[in-house]
Amino acid sequence: GQNIDQPTEMTATEGAIVQINCTYQTSGFNGLFWYQQHAGEAPTFLSYNVLDGLEEKGRFSSFLSRSKGYSYLLLKELQMKDSASYLCAVRVGGYSTLTFGKGTMLLVSP
Amino acid sequence: ETGVTQSPTHLIKTRGQQVTLRCSSQSGHNTVSWYQQALGQGPQFIFQYYREEENGRGNFPPRFSGLQFPNYSSELNVNALELDDSALYLCASSDLTEAFFGQGTRLTVV
Repeated sequence: GQNIDQPTEMTATEGAIVQINCTYQTSGFNGLFWYQQHAGEAPTFLSYNVLDGLEEKGRFSSFLSRSKGYSYLLLKELQMKDSASYLCAVRVGGYSTLTFGKGTMLLVSP
Repeated sequence: ETGVTQSPTHLIKTRGQQVTLRCSSQSGHNTVSWYQQALGQGPQFIFQYYREEENGRGNFPPRFSGLQFPNYSSELNVNALELDDSALYLCASSDLTEAFFGQGTRLTVV
C-alpha cells in the first residue's frame, strides 16, 4: 500500500513564505500532485511533479525528490485567501488513481 | 473552472435509501475517478472508469457501484445508505499530467 504523511496544521503571516512538506512510501510511483482545498469546496489542482526538481508556477512552487520519497509545496507572498487545506497526492502505476494524504491546514494571519 | 461538473450539489437521504450522483468529465479526458471525503480527511479512492470499464477499485463495499457512458460522463450509485456514507463525493476527470475535480456532492444520510 501507500503511506503519505504531511503536517496537520501550519500557521504563517501574510506576506511571508511557507513550505509544506510531504513524504511518501509507495511502489510504482508515477507522479505527485498538490491540491488546495477551501472549506466545503472541491480540491483545486496546483501542481504536478513526476521528475526530480522544482516546478514553479507564480507564487506556488513544488519540489520532488523521488529517491527520498519527499516533496514540498512552497507558497510565497502569502495572502489571507491562501488559508486552506493543502493536499499531497501520489499516483501509482499506469492508472490515474490518486492516494491522498490527510491534508495540511494552513492558517494565514495578518 | 475545471469543466468537471457534478450534480446534485447537495443531497439529503434516509438510511437504507439509494442514491445516484452524476459527473460530466473535462473535454479530452477519458478517465473518471470517484472519491469520498469525510470531514477533516483527504479524499479516499472509490473506483475509476476508463473508456466505460471499471479499471480500479478502492476499499469500498459492492453497494458502491458506477457507470461510465460513451461521452465519458459517469454515475456513482450507492445502495442501502448508511449514516457513515455522509461525506463529500468528488469526481475527478484526468489524463496523464492533470486531474481536475468537480465541485462535489455533499451527501447527508439521516
